[in-house]
Amino acid sequence: DAKTTQPTSMDCAEGRAANLPCNHSTISGNEYVYWYRQIHSQGPQYIIHGLKNNETNEMASLIITEDRKSSTLILPHATLRDTAVYYCIAGYALNFGKGTSLLVTP
Amino acid sequence: GAVVSQHPSWVICKSGTSVKIECRSLDFQATTMFWYRQFPKQSLMLMATSNEGSKATYEQGVEKDKFLINHASLTLSTLTVTSAHPEDSSFYICSARVPRGIEGYTFGSGTRLTVV
Repeated sequence: DAKTTQPTSMDCAEGRAANLPCNHSTISGNEYVYWYRQIHSQGPQYIIHGLKNNETNEMASLIITEDRKSSTLILPHATLRDTAVYYCIAGYALNFGKGTSLLVTP
Repeated sequence: GAVVSQHPSWVICKSGTSVKIECRSLDFQATTMFWYRQFPKQSLMLMATSNEGSKATYEQGVEKDKFLINHASLTLSTLTVTSAHPEDSSFYICSARVPRGIEGYTFGSGTRLTVV
């Protein structure tokens, strides 16, 4: 499974778009990119996943570069409830990195 | 769909006692479940893989005699922390692979264990 690299922390103003990057330069051709988030003292929650094409659901959008070496999770209108740790996972990796701690401020 | 229910959500126990945590797949069968431990301000650390009808596979450094895993049915895996000590206090989370295959994993809500 490919290793992923994410910034440790990010801030975002409420109502603005939060763009969370992830580097997965060693991802293989058939591995999906998954994003989860973990709100304090809860289990991780699935957000979105993608292979090659950009994806959008009711929670977020996922932009994957053409070479698939990186992706960006976009929360279009961040709210205070989006404050959480966001994890980017390549394939069916079972080991989580440190993720990005997103703080949404009023 | 693909919900994993974890119970209890929190537990306090005395040193030396054992605590059992249950993880149930509610609307699907999970032949494999995963157990994680998370210390404050740290990421999830995989402890073991629970396999229905066979022995669990433990990650390096995890004591299998201390963290007993039983996966006796296709919908239930249990983690028993035996002879608990304060250093076992942590947040324990279970997960299972989503059966449709490409939606990753689904996670339980976690169990906060405090050993006093």
